[in-house]
Amino acid sequence: SQTIHQWPATLVQPVGSPLSLECTVEGTSNPNLYWYRQAAGRGLQLLFYSVGIGQISSEVPQNLSASRPQDRQFILSSKKLLLSDSGFYLCAWSKEARSAQYFGPGTRLTVL
Amino acid sequence: GTQVEQSPPDLILQEGANSTLRCNFSDSVNNLQWFHQNPWGQLINLFYIPSGTKQNGRLSATTVATERYSLLYISSSQTTDSGVYFCAPRGSNYQLIWGAGTKLIIKP
Repeated sequence: SQTIHQWPATLVQPVGSPLSLECTVEGTSNPNLYWYRQAAGRGLQLLFYSVGIGQISSEVPQNLSASRPQDRQFILSSKKLLLSDSGFYLCAWSKEARSAQYFGPGTRLTVL
Repeated sequence: GTQVEQSPPDLILQEGANSTLRCNFSDSVNNLQWFHQNPWGQLINLFYIPSGTKQNGRLSATTVATERYSLLYISSSQTTDSGVYFCAPRGSNYQLIWGAGTKLIIKP
C-alpha cells in the first residue's frame, strides 16, 4: 500500500530564515504531487503541483518555491520566511490528475 | 471560478445521532472527494464520488452531478467523528476546489 510522509511535524522559525519541508511517497511510482497551505480555520490553498521530476507548476505567486529532485520526493522551500508564511502545510499525492488525492500528516509552521 | 458552499458551517450533536452534510457547487465538475480532518490536522479521504451513492460503514455519500450537489451522511455518530468535513470537487483542470468545511462536534 502507499504511504506519504512529511517532516518535520512542527517548526518554529524566525522571520527571514530559510525553510525546507520534505514530502516523500512510498509504494507507487510517478505520482502527481501537491503542496497545499491551510490557514487556521479555513480551507486548503493549492501552492504547487508536479506531474514528474523537475516539472513544477505554481498556482499562487509567493515567497515559496518547490522542487522535485526524485520521483517520489517533493520539497517546499523559502529563502526568507515572512510572518504570513505561517500555517499548516500539507503534501498530497495522486496516481493521475483525475485520481483521488491522499494527504500526508502535515507540517505546522510558525514564523515569529 | 467554481464556488463551493458547504452547510451547515457548524454542527453539534450527541453521540448516536445521525447527520447530513451538504455541498453545493456552482459549475459542472469532473469528480468530487469528501475528506475528514481530525483534531490533529490529518486529512482523511472518505469518498471519491463523481456520481451516485457509496457507503463505507456508518458513512455514505451521494453526488447528483446534474444538480450540482453532494451529501455526506453520518449515522450513529461517535466522538471520533468530530472534526471538519471538507467537500472538494475537481474542476476542469482537475485541481480540487475546496469548500470552507463543516465543523462537527460529537458530545459524549
